[in-house]
This record gives sequence, C-alpha cells and structure tokens, in this order.
Amino acid sequence: DAGVIQSPRHEVTEMGQEVTLRCKPISGHNSLFWYRQTMMRGLELLIYFNNNVPIDDSGMPEDRFSAKMPNASFSTLKIQPSEPRDSAVYFCASRFLQVANSPLHFGNGTRLTVT
Amino acid sequence: QKEVEQNSGPLSVPEGAIASLNCTYSDRGSQSFFWYRQYSGKSPELIMFIYSNGDKEDGRFTAQLNKASQYVSLLIRDSQPSDSATYLCAVNTNTGNQFYFGTGTSLTVIP
Repeated sequence: DAGVIQSPRHEVTEMGQEVTLRCKPISGHNSLFWYRQTMMRGLELLIYFNNNVPIDDSGMPEDRFSAKMPNASFSTLKIQPSEPRDSAVYFCASRFLQVANSPLHFGNGTRLTVT
Repeated sequence: QKEVEQNSGPLSVPEGAIASLNCTYSDRGSQSFFWYRQYSGKSPELIMFIYSNGDKEDGRFTAQLNKASQYVSLLIRDSQPSDSATYLCAVNTNTGNQFYFGTGTSLTVIP
C-alpha cells in the first residue's frame, strides 16, 4: 500500500501567488481530511470530506482557502492569494468512514513557505 | 475550552524508565481515542487506539482510558532514546467523523 500521497513536499512562493496542494488518499478510504500544523497552534482541522462530499469546512481560515475532491482518489487545497501567515505544514489524512475506530493515516505533508 | 488538552512538556525521562503521557477531552460522547507519535519533520504515525474503559497493552505501550473522568493516558515502558518524539492525543467524537488533536507532548529519553 502506497499510503497517503501528497505533493509537493515543499513549496516556496511569494505573497499573493496561488498555491495548490494535492493529495491522493489510500485506495478504498472514503473519508479525507486536511490539517494545518504550526508550532503555535498544533494540528488544526481545516476541512474533511466523506465520500467526496465536504462535510465540515468550519476550520478553513478564510475565503482565500478552498478545497475540492472531484473523485475518490484526489483532493486539492488551494490558497489564493497566499500570505506569509499561511506558512505551515499541511497534512492530508484518510480513513475508512464506515469502520468503527478506523484511525487516520497521514501523508508526508507539504511544507509551505510564503515570503 | 479546547476539545483535547495535553501538557506540552517537555517531558524528560532516563532510558529504561516509564514515560507517562496524559490527555483530557471535553466531549463526553467521544467514542475512540488514538495516540500518534510524530518525529521532528515527519508526519504523525499511529501508535495505538482505545475505545473501552481500562487498559490496552501493545508491546511496550499501554493506553489507559477513563471515560468518567474524560481522561486517556499512554505509558511507555523501558523507554528508549528512539522514543524521543512528540506524542499526539486524538479523539474521535460521537457527533460524526471529527478527529480533534491535542497540541502534543514532547518527550525526550535521555541515554
């Protein structure tokens, strides 16, 4: 099993640019999560999808952030325009929705630096 | 009030000792509880989960759950330097598919 695959691993961009982060969940997993991790705030849930449908996006910081899941094997998190305070590590995670106690499996993360 | 609270540490223990990590949660209806380990610069990896009151053992790791006190802990026996990492407590709530994480406890095992 390849695990959750995220790309890119590192992204450095200038303020105002658009950033797109990508995620491929584990095959068969039908629930996908996007988290942001910083030293100050720890792991923050941004949004999660069940069966490709966004369920809770209350953690999305503001309208500059958007996420999509067009099919069961792909999701994107977009930031437009990016700001220095968006610098963080962004993790994607997936799990089986219908299996009780199914844990989250994390990707390797994308380290975003906005200058 | 945060959903999940952990002492940030740092916690230091000598090699071979027992490390005790603690976590409290606010949602009384929470169902499942997970411990993740995160090495610096890496992603969180699952150590174990627990959903029934009492103890659950897996090798050198023991998870303890007390739902009445809304408390979950992780004990690491015979601590090794390779156990030095940040330990994250996660709670799966009863209201759906939410996973809330604590801010993590940094553990250092001193050789």
